[in-house]
Amino acid sequence: QKEVEQNSGPLSVPEGAIASLNCTYSDRGSQSFFWYRQYSGKSPELIMSIYSNGDKEDGRFTAQLNKASQYVSLLIRDSQPSDSATYLCAAEHNAGNNRKLIWGLGTSLAVNP
Amino acid sequence: GAVVSQHPSWVICKSGTSVKIECRSLDFQATTMFWYRQFPKQSLMLMATSNEGSKATYEQGVEKDKFLINHASLTLSTLTVTSAHPEDSSFYICSASRTKYNEQFFGPGTRLTVL
Repeated sequence: QKEVEQNSGPLSVPEGAIASLNCTYSDRGSQSFFWYRQYSGKSPELIMSIYSNGDKEDGRFTAQLNKASQYVSLLIRDSQPSDSATYLCAAEHNAGNNRKLIWGLGTSLAVNP
Repeated sequence: GAVVSQHPSWVICKSGTSVKIECRSLDFQATTMFWYRQFPKQSLMLMATSNEGSKATYEQGVEKDKFLINHASLTLSTLTVTSAHPEDSSFYICSASRTKYNEQFFGPGTRLTVL
């Protein structure tokens, strides 16, 4: 059973701080990884994708990937109250012609003003 | 770019009726579309994966005769919940993928309530 694990939280940070979200995955064959943000009652929204080892930055967001350790993280700099949401980590899984994402259960982030 | 729409956004129906949900990729051609279900305070549960012109691949435990998926074109997929019952009440979300990396773009979801 392929799995993606996240700390459910809640993770609470003050406004302006750095929020660090972590994720581990079990499928060594996974090549693509994604972070989604989901507000309560809404559908997920893609924030970052990462395919190579190292860091990828996009505005206030930085994704980090370490395939040797099977570890993906998301850093949110200058956290804002509007960043309060559940963050979902997903890893691509290939099984022949069936390509899908394996999802973590999500980490709840609360940014306090 | 990468906008996905879903219709209807919410629906209330009587037990035993069938409900059809449409998912459209508005500004790209989707190689694959996915259907998810999400119960309150739970994570996404993949129901099935569909490719245009071929049969959907259902996840284990999902009844293919109850949840009918049709992927008629590269921009449209439909999910029909047949003979809906109160336990089918949930948030149904579709997503579409356009590249080999399988990044998925989600529709806004359909909230189904079966009375």
